[in-house]
Formats: sequence, C-alpha cells, structure tokens
Amino acid sequence: DSGVTQTPKHLITATGQRVTLRCSPRSGDLSVYWYQQSLDQGLQFLIQYYNGEERAKGNILERFSAQQFPDLHSELNLSSLELGDSALYFCASSGQGGGNTDTQYFGPGTRLTVL
Amino acid sequence: DQQVKQNSPSLSVQEGRISILNCDYTNSMFDYFLWYKKYPAEGPTFLISISSIKDKNEDGRFTVFLNKSAKHLSLHIVPSQPGDSAVYFCAASDGGYQKVTFGTGTKLQVIP
Repeated sequence: DSGVTQTPKHLITATGQRVTLRCSPRSGDLSVYWYQQSLDQGLQFLIQYYNGEERAKGNILERFSAQQFPDLHSELNLSSLELGDSALYFCASSGQGGGNTDTQYFGPGTRLTVL
Repeated sequence: DQQVKQNSPSLSVQEGRISILNCDYTNSMFDYFLWYKKYPAEGPTFLISISSIKDKNEDGRFTVFLNKSAKHLSLHIVPSQPGDSAVYFCAASDGGYQKVTFGTGTKLQVIP
C-alpha cells in the first residue's frame, strides 16, 4: 500500500459527459501528479501540483483540468468525454516537489470507460 | 514522439537466471532515470534510479546501468524470482519539477 488513495476505482460513463477523479496523497506529501495510461501506452504525464499551485504541465488536453485543494487532495476533471479518453488514470505524490530525484508514490488508479 | 522506448513488450526468464530489461531514450536533456515495477490492479512502484553522473547503481538483486553515449539504460535482476513477474517501466526526467517521461513497459515473466 503506497498510501495514495484514488476514487473511484472504476468509472463507466457516456461520450460527452463530465467526470471527476479524486486523489488523496500520502500524509505529508505536498506534490500530486496525474498520469494517463491508455491501452499499450506508457504512462503519459498530465499535470503536477505542489502545495496547491500548478507546477508542471504535460500532455493534458484542454478538456481536462485539475486542482489541488488546501487539504492537499487533488481532483482531475475530464469533460466532453470521448471514446479515446478511456484509460487508467493514476495519481502519484511525493514529498518535496522540487528537484527531480524525489520518489513518486502511485495510487492504484481509476479505470475510466467511455461508452 | 516516444522519447523513452522499451522495444521489448515482453520477456520470459527461468527462475534463478538473469533478467535484462532494456530502455532507450532520445532526449539528451534527461539527467535522471528510474525503473518502476507494476503488478496488475496496482499502481507502479518505484524500484531503482540512477543519476546521469553515474553509470551504475545497485540495490540488492537489482542493478541499473546507464550508457549516456548510447542513450541506453538497462535493468538487471539477478537472480530472477517468480515474484519479479510484473510490468517494468523505464522513466526519465530532465530535471526541474519532476516531469517524468515513461516508456511503454516490458512485461517480465519469471518461470519457476
């Protein structure tokens, strides 16, 4: 158990809909990262937050947005969903949020299926 | 554009033998490299890392080798155990705020 929790575990929805994925980082961790893993793809970095502020942005679509709240949990919002958004979405957290050598601890993921 | 490539989607090895997982990268700005292990229905777990100032890092049965001139790294597992059966992701970072680029993974099967 990494200490990172993600809800829900599974999500099935229809095209055009909007969903929210939730992540609680390990106790004390200030950084939260979101990744997308599509079929046969590696993990694609989406976005990083550090102590409530956006720190780094990856291949995140404009239809997607995220935020980190004062209690450090984070939400990833996916809107106008398309079939191609079906994927595993992972959240990770780390303690320092500064340099690139901090270990990221991953949650178990949310499997999103768009029908 | 896949900046971190794991060209072998799968690998089978006998228990007790060496497992060698390979990874190539194209971005010369990468200066920190990691390996993660992933079991089904779980998130990736950090395994071992190496900084670009080193060419080898060892942790128990796991050793990572870095060849900067070839932009290649490899993970050696000796001896391989059935519990090592998992998907292994190679990852690289170019410093700053941990924007980590992952490869597509290699599924390792260790046969008892």
